[in-house]
Amino acid sequence: AQSVTQPDIHITVSEGASLELRCNYSYGATPYLFWYVQSPGQGLQLLLKYFSGDTLVQGIKGFEAEFKRSQSSFNLRKPSVHWSDAAEYFCAVGSGNMLTFGGGTRLMVKP
Amino acid sequence: DGGITQSPKYLFRKEGQNVTLSCEQNLNHDAMYWYRQDPGQGLRLIYYSQIVNDFQKGDIAEGYSVSREKKESFPLTVTSAQKNPTAFYLCASSMRPLTSGGLNEQYFGPGTRLTVT
Repeated sequence: AQSVTQPDIHITVSEGASLELRCNYSYGATPYLFWYVQSPGQGLQLLLKYFSGDTLVQGIKGFEAEFKRSQSSFNLRKPSVHWSDAAEYFCAVGSGNMLTFGGGTRLMVKP
Repeated sequence: DGGITQSPKYLFRKEGQNVTLSCEQNLNHDAMYWYRQDPGQGLRLIYYSQIVNDFQKGDIAEGYSVSREKKESFPLTVTSAQKNPTAFYLCASSMRPLTSGGLNEQYFGPGTRLTVT
């Protein structure tokens, strides 16, 4: 069975600082990987996805993620965080049109 | 504008009552999903449907029921058998994959927060 672990429940960064959110997955084959963002009380918005090919994936809002098969990781990064990035972030792994989500990381941004 | 709508945004019910949450999409997607979200637990799959008139149980289907009579609509009923129904419910849809084992990203609605007292 596939699973996703997001080790950090909460992360606080200063505005303008860099950000890395961790995601580790367990899946037997080549995974389909996703990062979603959720603002309070809202639905989820897709930030980026990895299906195959280049292991460094660019997404919306200046985010990127790197797929590392050897580490079973798909960490999300942003070089400079904005106050509007404060939200909850979910990593997901998928197969056969089904997604398994991690528990989420809540990002807080200090002014 | 294409998208997924969920109504209402907030729903309040008394314990013992069934309640139905609406989900409509105009993206022409074949597949639709219902998730439950509780604080600190991520999203858990309740039911999903890959095609009209067909649906399957997800990880936490007990106490819930669904129907898929139209491609655009996938309503979720929270029955009185659901022991802890207060939660945030999210509906999603996706295109069917072109190949077996393939996958397409899911698009989410804005959610319905259900409170049962």
